[in-house]
Amino acid sequence: GENVEQHPSTLSVQEGDSAVIKCTYSDSASNYFPWYKQELGKRPQLIIDIRSNVGEKKDQRIAVTLNKTAKHFSLHITETQPEDSAVYFCAPREGAQKLVFGQGTRLTINP
Amino acid sequence: DTEVTQTPKHLVMGMTNKKSLKCEQHMGHRAMYWYKQKAKKPPELMFVYSYEKLSINESVPSRFSPECPNSSLLNLHLHALQPEDSALYLCASSHPRGVGEQYFGPGTRLTVT
Repeated sequence: GENVEQHPSTLSVQEGDSAVIKCTYSDSASNYFPWYKQELGKRPQLIIDIRSNVGEKKDQRIAVTLNKTAKHFSLHITETQPEDSAVYFCAPREGAQKLVFGQGTRLTINP
Repeated sequence: DTEVTQTPKHLVMGMTNKKSLKCEQHMGHRAMYWYKQKAKKPPELMFVYSYEKLSINESVPSRFSPECPNSSLLNLHLHALQPEDSALYLCASSHPRGVGEQYFGPGTRLTVT
């Protein structure tokens, strides 16, 4: 099965700075790599995803990069804002349906 | 409508009780999921239904019994739970063939006393 490691477990950045979270996975057959954001007491929500035939994807202040050879993908948030404070999970997909969640990164944006 | 709904929002039950959690979606998704999330931990997959048939059971104890009565509904029947089963239970749905994201419901906060 898929082994997923996510780093760092906590990250604190100044408002306006950038944040980067990295996820490594073990299953070379994985082909779908989403990032979820979960605010306290709320549901996980997809913020960006990437498929294995693409190396990078951007959506405004958020980007994801994928290195299939090294089996890792990263979440990049630029110009961070207080509302970016949350727990972020990577969740590479094993097979057609099973998401395997990383342990999460608690991101705190300091004003 | 891109919403998955779950009821109840909160549930407190004793170890001898029988209760059910309900999940509903109207996005035409034919894959539905149950996850368990303990505090400060990631969601853990429990069950997957694909075209109303159980396709994945992650070795979940039999005191949890899933049911998918139709393509829009997913239930989780609970019986003889333990205090360590207290958690947030999340439902999700997606297209069944790995196309598109999984949409999560708001969850049911379960406390077993």
